[in-house]
Amino acid sequence: DQQVKQNSPSLSVQEGRISILNCDYTNSMFDYFLWYKKYPAEGPTFLISISSIKDKNEDGRFTVFLNKSAKHLSLHIVPSQPGDSAVYFCAASAYNAGNMLTFGGGTRLMVKP
Amino acid sequence: DSGVTQTPKHLITATGQRVTLRCSPRSGDLSVYWYQQSLDQGLQFLIQYYNGEERAKGNILERFSAQQFPDLHSELNLSSLELGDSALYFCASSVRLAGGVNEQFFGPGTRLTVL
Repeated sequence: DQQVKQNSPSLSVQEGRISILNCDYTNSMFDYFLWYKKYPAEGPTFLISISSIKDKNEDGRFTVFLNKSAKHLSLHIVPSQPGDSAVYFCAASAYNAGNMLTFGGGTRLMVKP
Repeated sequence: DSGVTQTPKHLITATGQRVTLRCSPRSGDLSVYWYQQSLDQGLQFLIQYYNGEERAKGNILERFSAQQFPDLHSELNLSSLELGDSALYFCASSVRLAGGVNEQFFGPGTRLTVL
C-alpha cells in the first residue's frame, strides 16, 4: 500500500512557465512534508518542506501548498528553468515514527528552453 | 555537496557474496538513515540509527544489517546477495531524532550490481 503517491511520472513545461508537481498521501499521521530534487547519479537534494500546521511555504521560485483535508500537496516552480529538469520526490514523515521518510515514486520534470 | 559521504560509489559483486557499504554523516548529525532505490522505484526506507542505537526499521531484509559506530559513521551489511539486491543505496543524516524542522541530507549513494 503506497502511502505517498505521485501520479504523474513525467511533466514537460516550457521555460519561464509554471511547473506544478502533485503528491497525495493516505496516512493522516504524517505531519511533515518535504520535496527533494534528484539528478541522475546523485543523491536527492532537499528543496523545501512544510509542516502540517501550515498550508503554504515559499522559498524563492519554489512554493509548496498543503491541503490537509484532501491529503494533497503540490510544488509550484515559477518561473521554470532548464536547470530545474530533474526527478522530484515528495516525502512525508510522522513525529512519532522517528522522522523516517516515506517517498512517492517521483515525477520527472523536463523544462524545455 | 550535502556533507554526507558514502563509499564505495560503485560495487559489482556476485550472487551469494557479502558486501559492506559505508556512510559518514554530516558533522554534528546524530541520526543516520539507509534507503534503497531499485530500478524505476522510489526510495524505500531500510533502517535508522540515532547516536549508535537502532531506532526504526523499514523494509529491510533479514540478510541485511547495519550499525552505527561511536564516531557516528554507519555501515550497511548485505549478505547472501541476490540479483534483486542490485540497487542504489543511499544514506541520509539529520540532526535530531524526530520533530521540528529536521530535513534529511542525502549522500551520493552506492550503486550495487549483483551479477
